[in-house]
Amino acid sequence: DTAVSQTPKYLVTQMGNDKSIKCEQNLGHDTMYWYKQDSKKFLKIMFSYNNKELIINETVPNRFSPKSPDKAHLNLHINSLELGDSAVYFCASSQVRSEAFFGQGTRLTVV
Amino acid sequence: KNEVEQSPQNLTAQEGEFITINCSYSVGISALHWLQQHPGGGIVSLFMLSSGKKKHGRLIATINIQEKHSSLHITASHPRDSAVYICAVRGLHAGGTSYGKLTFGQGTILTVHP
Repeated sequence: DTAVSQTPKYLVTQMGNDKSIKCEQNLGHDTMYWYKQDSKKFLKIMFSYNNKELIINETVPNRFSPKSPDKAHLNLHINSLELGDSAVYFCASSQVRSEAFFGQGTRLTVV
Repeated sequence: KNEVEQSPQNLTAQEGEFITINCSYSVGISALHWLQQHPGGGIVSLFMLSSGKKKHGRLIATINIQEKHSSLHITASHPRDSAVYICAVRGLHAGGTSYGKLTFGQGTILTVHP
């Protein structure tokens, strides 16, 4: 049973396109996150949702829009993709003050 | 300057050696995490610490809250330990609550040779 699952694992797309990455967790956690890992492997938070409510939005371009239809899902939609958006995106979930569980990552390549 | 600093950035060891990775942070935290990422792989949580010391198999993690410092030790290292080890701190939200935002160190690339 996969605790946090992301789809797709790989995504190659052209500049200007719109794409979505889906994330689902079956752990019953209240909080879900999106993190971006750059080419130097540095991770940085993008968004956090707690019980479907946005609680963290870290200086991310408006082209990125998270959507949480229920507390088990947090999807990331990206409009007008740019070359600089190429990275690995990780979804994670946790309860407050508990360890985080990460998805396997989505490697996005914008060409 | 990053709020979370790890050292060393790269570490090469021979199988069997004792390994230490250090993490220093400059903000108030509710917990510190050690994470492992294998090449091309996902991220796995190794430890979550708010005080003292934890041990799991050959891995030991310690934290000193007063000094804002944590260490990850690997005893009897093995080539399968080769991975990126990431320190992350869980910050304090306004009002002292924590919604779990993690701030990450830059990672330590560990290579263990047979």
